[in-house]
Amino acid sequence: AQSVTQLDSHVSVSEGTPVLLRCNYSSSYSPSLFWYVQHPNKGLQLLLKYTSAATLVKGINGFEAEFKKSETSFHLTKPSAHMSDAAEYFCVVSDLNTGTASKLTFGTGTRLQVTL
Amino acid sequence: KAGVTQTPRYLIKTRGQQVTLSCSPISGHRSVSWYQQTPGQGLQFLFEYFSETQRNKGNFPGRFSGRQFSNSRSEMNVSTLELGDSALYLCASSPYINTGELFFGEGSRLTVL
Repeated sequence: AQSVTQLDSHVSVSEGTPVLLRCNYSSSYSPSLFWYVQHPNKGLQLLLKYTSAATLVKGINGFEAEFKKSETSFHLTKPSAHMSDAAEYFCVVSDLNTGTASKLTFGTGTRLQVTL
Repeated sequence: KAGVTQTPRYLIKTRGQQVTLSCSPISGHRSVSWYQQTPGQGLQFLFEYFSETQRNKGNFPGRFSGRQFSNSRSEMNVSTLELGDSALYLCASSPYINTGELFFGEGSRLTVL
């Protein structure tokens, strides 16, 4: 079984300051990990993905995530927050090894608030 | 290229009724997945279709069903609605099966009274 734990349900930062959204994973196999973002009243959008290539993954809108196997973590970062980053962020795990990769397992989400 | 289109966007039903939700994937995408999003349970996988065949299924009762047509459009049906079925139902498409890179629609928000 695989799962992800998002360690913060809510994070508040000031515009221009760094963003850190934390995620730990649990997987029997070498996992595929993703971050998705959901803006209010919108669907989800893929930010970035890790699929066993480079451990530092760059995504859209300046976001990055680093896969750390020893810590079973996949934290999402951005050097400087923008007001438009305010949204709900989901850490997601998927299993490419069992033919069920499209069956995503979502974390509970972290709501990012950006203040002036 | 048009994104994933879901209809209707909002609907209200009463307990015991049934509902059908529709999803048109991105052109060329052959895989369609459905997810339920609720405040209490979060995002949960319902099922995935590829080439008109259900390939994966989540842990939902048989009241939840779906199908995919030859043009890759998909529908999901919920029969004998319960209050707990109130949720945002999200459809996602992808060009391939067995990928975690999904393109989501904006969802159909179902309210059951």
